[in-house]
Amino acid sequence: EVQLVETGGGLVQPGRSLKLSCVASGFTFNNYWMSWTRQAPGKGLEWVASITNSGGSTYYPDSVKGRFTISRDNAQNTLYLQMNSLRSEDTATYYCTRGGSPFAYWGQGTLVTVSS
Amino acid sequence: DVQMTQSPSNLAASPGESVSINCKASKSISKYLAWYQQKPGKANKLLIYSGSTLQSGTPSRFSGSGSGTDFTLTIRNLEPEDFGLYYCQQHNEYPPTFGSGTKLEIK
Repeated sequence: EVQLVETGGGLVQPGRSLKLSCVASGFTFNNYWMSWTRQAPGKGLEWVASITNSGGSTYYPDSVKGRFTISRDNAQNTLYLQMNSLRSEDTATYYCTRGGSPFAYWGQGTLVTVSS
Repeated sequence: DVQMTQSPSNLAASPGESVSINCKASKSISKYLAWYQQKPGKANKLLIYSGSTLQSGTPSRFSGSGSGTDFTLTIRNLEPEDFGLYYCQQHNEYPPTFGSGTKLEIK
């Protein structure tokens, strides 16, 4: 059974940093692209970042480019999202997803709240 | 970026009925449209991709159609567990973009 478990969310002040983790199980992690997608409270879904199976290439929308970094540790079956210079508009539940698009499996999400 | 316009925003139906949800892309995305279901306390579920291909585990009462810019998700013979939020997403090009969602409620 595919499982994706996100951790690392919480309350953070604007301008500060936070790093999310996602531990994957139930599939061969290094065979798949992985992504992060987010959902602001009461809003729709927004793609945040993707990484190739080797980690050699990464992709971001303009809204987070230069502030967020996606990475992975294939030996530990773990996906990361380093978020810097956080803004109030980054407040959302962040989901770890398998695939570069479409997103075949989703975690339950971790809530990030950016507020002073 | 490809803009995805989803309609209706809200939909009410009774178990046993059929419903359709529409998704329109701002430019042609060929057949590359996915549908997701979101329910409280559960992981989001990919239902359909490439317009009409059912993801493993998706019940056959779900079907997808369309190509180019206009797509439809149809759910026949609604079951109680089908009520929730539905999103479309284009997977033809980066960045992947989602529709604004349709809330399917019990009438």
